Amino acid sequence: SQQGEEDPQALSIQEGENATMNCSYKTSINNLQWYRQNSGRGLVHLILIRSNEREKHSGRLRVTLDTSKKSSSLLITASRAADTASYFCATDAGGTYKYIFGTGTRLKVLA
Amino acid sequence: DADVTQTPRNRITKTGKRIMLECSQTKGHDRMYWYRQDPGLGLRLIYYSFDVKDINKGEISDGYSVSRQAQAKFSLSLESAIPNQTALYFCATSDSTEKINEQFFGPGTRLTVL
Repeated sequence: SQQGEEDPQALSIQEGENATMNCSYKTSINNLQWYRQNSGRGLVHLILIRSNEREKHSGRLRVTLDTSKKSSSLLITASRAADTASYFCATDAGGTYKYIFGTGTRLKVLA
Repeated sequence: DADVTQTPRNRITKTGKRIMLECSQTKGHDRMYWYRQDPGLGLRLIYYSFDVKDINKGEISDGYSVSRQAQAKFSLSLESAIPNQTALYFCATSDSTEKINEQFFGPGTRLTVL
């Protein structure tokens, strides 16, 4: 399977702290995306980083990509209780537009 | 996302029954996908379609079939449901003309097979 894997599986932090979650994948990619899922709901796209990019920012989100290590990280700064959700990375399986999702990180932000 | 709708939202059925899950979208996207989500396993791709005449198997297509009736409609069928098909099912769409192949997800269908 080309499925990505997120680490840690679960993360609990205090409001205001930063949250970092990592994603590893197995094959070459054209891009990697991060999605958020509130409990039992559909996923919502957060950010995309292309294989020729190393870092990208969007609001309180910072994504890095290391293609040599086949890994990406998502940093959420100054976390809020509303950030409580599961976060998934998705890779495009070598440019096929057939996205493979990881197993997710469950983030809980305590108020 | 209200632009991608799924019916039914919840369904309980018995082993051996035929079930159809429907997905409709008003986004005008050409690409549509069906995923299932199981606890601890993330999302797994069942089938995907890049246009009306294009149907492709995903990671776990066994026991499932699909039909792309129109650009806006993509249905998933379980010909003879079995308990291990109990899961949360998501439909998603994307636009091939967009540089960012963002996927837009429906609200999900919770299927229980007894």
